[in-house]
Amino acid sequence: EVQLVQSGAEVKKPGESLKISCKGSGYSFTSYWIGWVRQMPGKGLEWMGIIWPGDSDARYSPSFQGQVTMSVDKSITTAYLQWSSLKDSDTAMYYCARRRTSGYDFDFWGQGALVTVSS
Amino acid sequence: EIVLTQSPGTLSLSPGERATLSCRASQSVSSSYLAWYQQKPGQAPRLLIYGASSRATGIPDRFSGSGSGTDFTLTISRLEPEDFAVYYCQLYGTSWTFGQGTKVEIK
Repeated sequence: EVQLVQSGAEVKKPGESLKISCKGSGYSFTSYWIGWVRQMPGKGLEWMGIIWPGDSDARYSPSFQGQVTMSVDKSITTAYLQWSSLKDSDTAMYYCARRRTSGYDFDFWGQGALVTVSS
Repeated sequence: EIVLTQSPGTLSLSPGERATLSCRASQSVSSSYLAWYQQKPGQAPRLLIYGASSRATGIPDRFSGSGSGTDFTLTISRLEPEDFAVYYCQLYGTSWTFGQGTKVEIK
């Protein structure tokens, strides 16, 4: 069974750093792109970027370039999304999702990780 | 950058009725790149339709997608109670983008 399991909710202060995770299982982790999607409270979905676990090739949405960093550790089939200095406006639910092979859509999603940034 | 506009913002219908949701792209796109997702409160999105008209694995046949060029449609032939949710279209251009969503609510 394909699963993407994300790390738990986080509460941080502005200026702090954070790294959230997304562990894939039940499939060949290095053969599928992993994307990240933000959903701010009560709002829609925003695509942040995508990474190829095979060689860590990462592509960022222009809106998120320089704001976050995607990475992977293929030895433990885990993708990461990190911030070096959080802002209040980073408060959101963050989803990882697997890009369907040979497609342009995402067929399996993590359960989401809620990040709350507040002083 | 291609912009996706979904309409209506909210659709108020009763169970058993037909739902028609629209997604319009700001320029002509390949239908291969258009997908639809369903999101229920407190849940992750779920892929319904890819390539504009292909149902994802396990999706009931009351869900169908159609369209080409700039205009795409998601149709739910007869609404079941579990279909009341928010629906998003998504497009791959030079990167991915989502529409703003259509909420299907119980009338």
